[in-house]
Order: sequence, then C-alpha cells, then structure tokens
Amino acid sequence: QVQLVQSGAEVKKSGASVKVSCKASGYTFTSYGISWVRQAPGQGLEWMGWISAYKGNTNIAQKLQGRVTMTTDTSTSTAYMELRSLRSDDTAVYYCARELGDYSNYWFDPWGQGTLVTVSS
Amino acid sequence: SYVLGQPPSVSVAPGQTARITCGGNNIGSKNVHWYQQKPGQAPVLVVYDDSDRPSGIPERFSGSNSGNTATLTISRVEAGDEADYYCQVWDSSSDHPVFGTGTKVTVL
Repeated sequence: QVQLVQSGAEVKKSGASVKVSCKASGYTFTSYGISWVRQAPGQGLEWMGWISAYKGNTNIAQKLQGRVTMTTDTSTSTAYMELRSLRSDDTAVYYCARELGDYSNYWFDPWGQGTLVTVSS
Repeated sequence: SYVLGQPPSVSVAPGQTARITCGGNNIGSKNVHWYQQKPGQAPVLVVYDDSDRPSGIPERFSGSNSGNTATLTISRVEAGDEADYYCQVWDSSSDHPVFGTGTKVTVL
C-alpha cells in the first residue's frame, strides 16, 4: 500500500537546524510531488512548500523562503525538509504528504505519520 | 490571499447528520477537498474534488460545493467520526494550497 514514513521526533535549540525525512513506498516515487505541512500545538494546518520528486524543483511558502530547503533522493525514494534558524514558534508536528491532481487543483493523500519538532531556548 | 472559514465546532448526536461548512469567495468555482484528523494522528483525505471519496472511505461521507459555501456531510454519525475536519482548495493566484481553519466535530 502507498505509505510515507517519517523520521523520529527532534528536540533542537533556538538557532539550530533540523532535517526531517519522509520515505515513500508502494508507488513510483518520481511520479508525484511531495508537500510539507506543519501544525503547531492546538493549531491548524500550514503548508510549507512542495518539491517535484521528478525534477527536484520546489515551491516554498513565502514566509519560509530563505529558511527552508526541500530535497529528494530518488535512489531511496526519500524526501527531506530542512528548516534552519529555528525559533520557538517553529515548534510543531511536521507532515509530508503526496500531492495528487493537476492543472491547479491538487490535494494530499496519503500523509506521513508526522514528526514532532520541539524548539527550546 | 484566498481565505477559507469554518465553524470552530459542530456537535451531533449518534445516528444523526453532521454538516460542516467551508466558506470562501466564489468557492463554487474551485475544487474542494476534505481531511479528517483524529487526536494525535495525521490527516486523512475523506473527500476530494468536492464530492468524490477515496477508496476505503464510507459512503456516509459526502460533499457538495456551490456559490460561496462547500459542505461536508456525515450521515449516520458514529462515535469514531469525532475528529477535526479541514477543507482545502488550491489558490491558483499564489500557486499554493489553502486550508480552512478547521472544525471540531463532537459526537454527543
């Protein structure tokens, strides 16, 4: 079955960086893009950006540009999201999700199980 | 950018029908997708393209979209339907997805 499995929880100091992985299985990795979405404690869903697993081009949310890098390793069907200069308000659960659809109509299925990133001062 | 509003909470008795709304400017011209998120779990797609269900999602989940409001309807509500529900559209002007504010469904 189609599955995305993410790396484990992280605790980081303010100013540090974190890199979260998302390993895909059950489908052809390069046929779909991967989006990253985060959810702060008790809050809603915030889209962070997208990467094409085929070409590697990205579309990053404006508020995170300059701090986020998204990459893929097609040899292992794994996507990565690195967030730098961590702040306390980056504390959240980070999800990867496969992007489906086309022509400016996209949705997400399935989602990874989530990775809790805690930023402490 | 495009904004989607949802009621913070909806309460429903078991066996009854829950209707969750998602409001946006001329949302009827967009495709709306819905996710269910149970506590401590990742979101799960329950409806896509306004009214289509992924395989494995019960027929009790249905969707509609017209004018300025999209609606997710859960028929014959069960205790296991208690969750947060989020709507989502693609904002072509900014080329990124927009999520609604989320609605907590409580089964009485």
